[in-house]
Amino acid sequence: EVQLLESGGGLVQPGGSLRLSCAASGFTISTYAMSWLRQAPGKGLEWVSLISDGGDNTYYPDSVKGRFTISRDNSKNTLYLQMNSLRAEDTALYYCAKHRGGNSRDFDYWGQGTLVTVSS
Amino acid sequence: DIQMTQSPSSLSASVGDRVTITCRASQTISNYLNWYQQKPGKAPKLLIYAASRLQSGVPSRFSGSGSGTEFTLTISSLQPEDFATYYCQQSYSTLITFGGGTKVEIK
Repeated sequence: EVQLLESGGGLVQPGGSLRLSCAASGFTISTYAMSWLRQAPGKGLEWVSLISDGGDNTYYPDSVKGRFTISRDNSKNTLYLQMNSLRAEDTALYYCAKHRGGNSRDFDYWGQGTLVTVSS
Repeated sequence: DIQMTQSPSSLSASVGDRVTITCRASQTISNYLNWYQQKPGKAPKLLIYAASRLQSGVPSRFSGSGSGTEFTLTISSLQPEDFATYYCQQSYSTLITFGGGTKVEIK
């Protein structure tokens, strides 16, 4: 059974940093593209980063480019999101998600999310 | 970036109703359009991928259609468990974007 378990969220001051983790089970993350997405309280879904199945390509929207870095540790079957220079508008529930497969950019499995609150 | 516009933003419907939600892309995206269902406090669930392909385990009352810039999600006979928010998502570009969501409420 595929499972994704996020951790690492919490309260951080503006300008601070946080690293999120997503422990995967039931599949091998190195064989699938993976993404992080977020949802601000009461708002819609926003994609924030993607790492290709080969791990050699990463993508970000302008809203986080230069501040967020996606990576993975294949030996731990774990995905990470390093978030620097955090802003109030980064406050959200952060999900990791598995891409369905092949070259797809849709998401067939999601974690339960970890909450990041940026506030002084 | 490709902008995705959903309509309506909310709707009220009764059990058994046929419900249609529309999603428009700001440029052509072929059939790279996906639909998700999200219930309160839960992660989104993939319903439809590639515009019209039903994800495994999803009831057949859900269907998707369209190509290019206009797409629809149809629920043929609304069930109590279908009251939720639905999102479209384009996967044509590596800069993935979502529609704003459509909340389906009980009439």
